[in-house]
Amino acid sequence: QQQVKQSPQSLIVQKGGISIINCAYENTAFDYFPWYQQFPGKGPALLIAIRPDVSEKKEGRFTISFNKSAKQFSLHIMDSQPGDSATYFCAAPRGYGQNFVFGPGTRLSVLP
Amino acid sequence: NAGVTQTPKFQVLKTGQSMTLQCAQDMNHNSMYWYRQDPGMGLRLIYYSASEGTTDKGEVPNGYNVSRLNKREFSLRLESAAPSQTSVYFCASSVTASTNEKLFFGSGTQLSVL
Repeated sequence: QQQVKQSPQSLIVQKGGISIINCAYENTAFDYFPWYQQFPGKGPALLIAIRPDVSEKKEGRFTISFNKSAKQFSLHIMDSQPGDSATYFCAAPRGYGQNFVFGPGTRLSVLP
Repeated sequence: NAGVTQTPKFQVLKTGQSMTLQCAQDMNHNSMYWYRQDPGMGLRLIYYSASEGTTDKGEVPNGYNVSRLNKREFSLRLESAAPSQTSVYFCASSVTASTNEKLFFGSGTQLSVL
């Protein structure tokens, strides 16, 4: 069964700095690895996702790096802003119908 | 544009009481899901409905039942609440149940079982 490990559990970054969150998964049968962002009191929302046929995907300040051989992928937030303070979840496919298995989450705090 | 709507937002139960969490989506999605979120555990799938008329167990189904009332609505029932079911519950939907589909989440129900 798919399992996802995520680190660090919490992260504090100064405004303008780079935030890096790492995830590792077990099974490679599927082809879509998303990151979800959750603000306090809200449900998670899709932030960015990658297919393993590419090693990197960038959307604005957010970049996913994917290492298929190592079964790892990471989220990089460039020029981190206080508005980025949230909990971030990586996810890996579980199988048809069950959608995803989520990592335990990383609470990011960006200091002004 | 409401998206995924969950009710209630907060609920306190006593051990042994029952309740139903309601979820409705207005995006014409085929698939719907119930997750629970606990500190340090991420989101864990309780039940899902790949399409109207079907429901299946997820990772942590014990103590819960679900009903896919129609294409829009998917309810979660706790028959006899236990303190271990204290959690934040999220309903989600997606266009299909394929593994590359974006999940749309509701704002959650915070449940406390005393």
